[in-house]
Amino acid sequence: DQQVKQNSPSLSVQEGRISILNCDYTNSMFDYFLWYKKYPAEGPTFLISISSIKDKNEDGRFTVFLNKSAKHLSLHIVPSQPGDSAVYFCAADSGNTPLVFGKGTRLSVIA
Amino acid sequence: GAVVSQHPSWVICKSGTSVKIECRSLDFQATTMFWYRQFPKQSLMLMATSNEGSKATYEQGVEKDKFLINHASLTLSTLTVTSAHPEDSSFYICSASAYRAGEQYFGPGTRLTVT
Repeated sequence: DQQVKQNSPSLSVQEGRISILNCDYTNSMFDYFLWYKKYPAEGPTFLISISSIKDKNEDGRFTVFLNKSAKHLSLHIVPSQPGDSAVYFCAADSGNTPLVFGKGTRLSVIA
Repeated sequence: GAVVSQHPSWVICKSGTSVKIECRSLDFQATTMFWYRQFPKQSLMLMATSNEGSKATYEQGVEKDKFLINHASLTLSTLTVTSAHPEDSSFYICSASAYRAGEQYFGPGTRLTVT
C-alpha cells in the first residue's frame, strides 16, 4: 500500500506558465516533506522541503504548500522554464523510518 | 510493478563489525542502482552509482574502501559497510533503474544502528 502517492505520472506545461505537482500521503505520522528533482542518468537532488508546522514554504520560483487535513501537498513552479523539465519526487519523513517516496511525476516544460 | 526491496530493514551491529545491505529489483532488471544515505530531516546524499557488471562510481567524499558496493546481477546490488562506527548510523536507501536514464524506483530503506 503506497503511503505517498503522486497520481500524475506526467505533466506538460508551457514555458512561463505555472507548474503544479501534487502529492498525497496516508500516514499521519509524517511530519516533514521533501521534493526532489531528477534529471536522466542522475540521482535526485533536493529541491525544497516543508515541516508539518507550516503550510507554505517558498524558495525563489518554487513554493510548496501543505494541507494537513487533506494529507496533500503540492509543488508550484512559477514561471516554468525548460530547464525545469525533469522527474519530481515527493518524499515524506516521520523521523523514525526512512524517507518514503512517491513514484514521481515527469514534468515537461515546452518552449 | 517496479518494486525495489531492501534487506534487512533494520540492523544493529557493534562498532568494528561489517554489515551488508541488499537491494533487489523484484520485477524488472536494473542495470543501474543508486545508493543514498539519509540524515534526519535532511536531504538524501548520493553515495554511489553502480552499473551491473562494473565498478561503482562513488561521489566525492565517500570512502570506497569503507562502503563496498557490488552489483553482481541485474536484480541485486549490495552495500557493505566495513568496520562500522557509530557515526555510520543512518538510513541507507537504494534505488534502481531499468536503464541508466530510466525511471528510478526507490527501496524502502535500511536503518543501520552501530553501537
